[in-house]
Amino acid sequence: GAVVSQHPSWVICKSGTSVKIECRSLDFQATTMFWYRQFPKKSLMLMATSNEGSKATYEQGVEKDKFLINHASLTLSTLTVTSAHPEDSSFYICSARMPKGGELEAFFGQGTRLTVV
Amino acid sequence: GQQVMQIPQYQHVQEGEDFTTYCNSSTTLSNIQWYKQRPGGHPVFLIQLVKSGEVKKQKRLTFQFGEAKKNSSLHITATQTTDVGTYFCAGGSGGYNKLIFGAGTRLAVHP
Repeated sequence: GAVVSQHPSWVICKSGTSVKIECRSLDFQATTMFWYRQFPKKSLMLMATSNEGSKATYEQGVEKDKFLINHASLTLSTLTVTSAHPEDSSFYICSARMPKGGELEAFFGQGTRLTVV
Repeated sequence: GQQVMQIPQYQHVQEGEDFTTYCNSSTTLSNIQWYKQRPGGHPVFLIQLVKSGEVKKQKRLTFQFGEAKKNSSLHITATQTTDVGTYFCAGGSGGYNKLIFGAGTRLAVHP
């Protein structure tokens, strides 16, 4: 079963509004979660590393004021796309790494398809 | 910064043919992971390689990690239509640190 749950799976919003995406780790604590963005038929681009109880670490070129990340608990990280514009339309995926079978496996949420109109 | 290159971008094969995708990192990796993503789905973990020169097999899939721990490959023997999807490699620097994904190879299998 899923170990990382992401919500919502899809959302349509108007330009200028903000959208919050939630990422929850199920049955395990994730002090670190990762947020990725994926364009159609493209790879996953790491946006930021979400750290529980502290500020997120953003990758170069990612606007931290645009993409607000909050990791308030060991099982929940949220990504808020503020003042969304059509160019923010994309597939956003979160992941958390969990030891499994001797390996540190990354589990992904189902992803959120954001469409800004 | 760290980059992970992956080729080819696309591969079309006839069912029963073999398939290989290659990854190359600009830096030495602690480990490399492979994922498969079906259209409309999210990436699903396949395997992790940690040791220099490591080779792992999963049924028809063979994964290799280079001696210098900078390159890796995934080989599928006798492809089936169920193998369709995009295969990503992801380089890790160890622990709970971030994974940097390759561009992915999209595999199409014609029956």
